Amino acid sequence: EADIYQTPRYLVIGTGKKITLECSQTMGHDKMYWYQQDPGMELHLIHYSYGVNSTEKGDLSSESTVSRIRTEHFPLTLESARPSHTSQYLCASSSRGVSYNEQFFGPGTRLTVL
Amino acid sequence: AQKITQTQPGMFVQEKEAVTLDCTYDTSDPSYGLFWYKQPSSGEMIFLIYQGSYDQQNATEGRYSLNFQKARKSANLVISASQLGDSAMYFCAMREGPSTNFGNEKLTFGTGTRLTIIP
Repeated sequence: EADIYQTPRYLVIGTGKKITLECSQTMGHDKMYWYQQDPGMELHLIHYSYGVNSTEKGDLSSESTVSRIRTEHFPLTLESARPSHTSQYLCASSSRGVSYNEQFFGPGTRLTVL
Repeated sequence: AQKITQTQPGMFVQEKEAVTLDCTYDTSDPSYGLFWYKQPSSGEMIFLIYQGSYDQQNATEGRYSLNFQKARKSANLVISASQLGDSAMYFCAMREGPSTNFGNEKLTFGTGTRLTIIP
């Protein structure tokens, strides 16, 4: 069973607020990812990290930012939330040499911006 | 062009029957990996099965098997003896390039198939 955690699970917030979505994994994986998923739709990669102090933008442009100061922690921040940011955000991690290098996913954060 | 195509937005299947979920992919890289994930209504993504482009045999994991037809670029998921708990969204995903390369673990997902098992 994957040990990757996301908090909060649900967040309803007003426009203009700054929010941080937390993601932590206890598996020691070097690579971590953030995906955005609208209801019933595919996942889009918005950020990823190869390791500490490494962050890259994904295939879908996002106004969010990420940081990777510790191996186990990969938070995502929105400086000023807007209704267009309403979505589910999924965090994942992987490590070369672990099984099929599959990505292990957290439970997700469902964000609603009013 | 879409890299991963899942043409079945939704499927209804009788309990205990087998079901095939379609996935076609597009890549010019000779080395790639194909993944299937299950997403229940609770939202988490659960890894089901993996097929590498150089694997000689079709992957199997319990009730899940992957019908890999490389020339047709298809990687269909087969679930045998379906159960009510199989009701969920199913996503096909692809990693392009060998997994040993630095940074090549990025996945491209299809649009998913919503499977509903009928009692």
